[in-house]
Amino acid sequence: SQQGEEDPQALSIQEGENATMNCSYKTSINNLQWYRQNSGRGLVHLILIRSNEREKHSGRLRVTLDTSKKSSSLLITASRAADTASYFCATDLSGYSTLTFGKGTMLLVSP
Amino acid sequence: EAGVVQSPRYKIIEKKQPVAFWCNPISGHNTLYWYLQNLGQGPELLIRYENEEAVDDSQLPKDRFSAERLKGVDSTLKIQPAELGDSAVYLCASSSGLVTDTQYFGPGTRLTVL
Repeated sequence: SQQGEEDPQALSIQEGENATMNCSYKTSINNLQWYRQNSGRGLVHLILIRSNEREKHSGRLRVTLDTSKKSSSLLITASRAADTASYFCATDLSGYSTLTFGKGTMLLVSP
Repeated sequence: EAGVVQSPRYKIIEKKQPVAFWCNPISGHNTLYWYLQNLGQGPELLIRYENEEAVDDSQLPKDRFSAERLKGVDSTLKIQPAELGDSAVYLCASSSGLVTDTQYFGPGTRLTVL
């Protein structure tokens, strides 16, 4: 079963624009992680936010977490064509790295 | 540092045939995961190993799937016999096993069952 649900399912933007993806989940978590997957490749870890954190930054990425609403958002600023990929949120319920992934958001960044 | 290695990258078999996938995790990573990823979906955990012990195999279809990690390093996932619905990407990942450590994924094996 999949705990997280990403929204939107697909997003198409122009280079330089910001991209925002949302993730909702159902049960209490220890942490939430975002991963990127380029076509035909494995997943790459982007950022982890713990349940007691509200916001985290990494380069052009900003992640927020609202545990009261059981939701998270991933913001990619000044997007590039190379950001084209699928983005997945994954929840860790126990803190022992057993992750439950959502279905992902497909992001297309056009030059 | 080498990443997670998986082989083969692609496999095409006929239904009812057996198939095996191999994974070599990042050196020193005690925890190894096998995931199944269907088209348009996120990965779903099949089994998690801590060293050579399978600590979570609740989602592994044990009637046809088996896995082993005999020496606590590399691992093999087997399907016997394969069914049409097994067509998917099989991903291996590893982590150091520390709490909240991230997982590092291999490129996956794309299985097509005809």
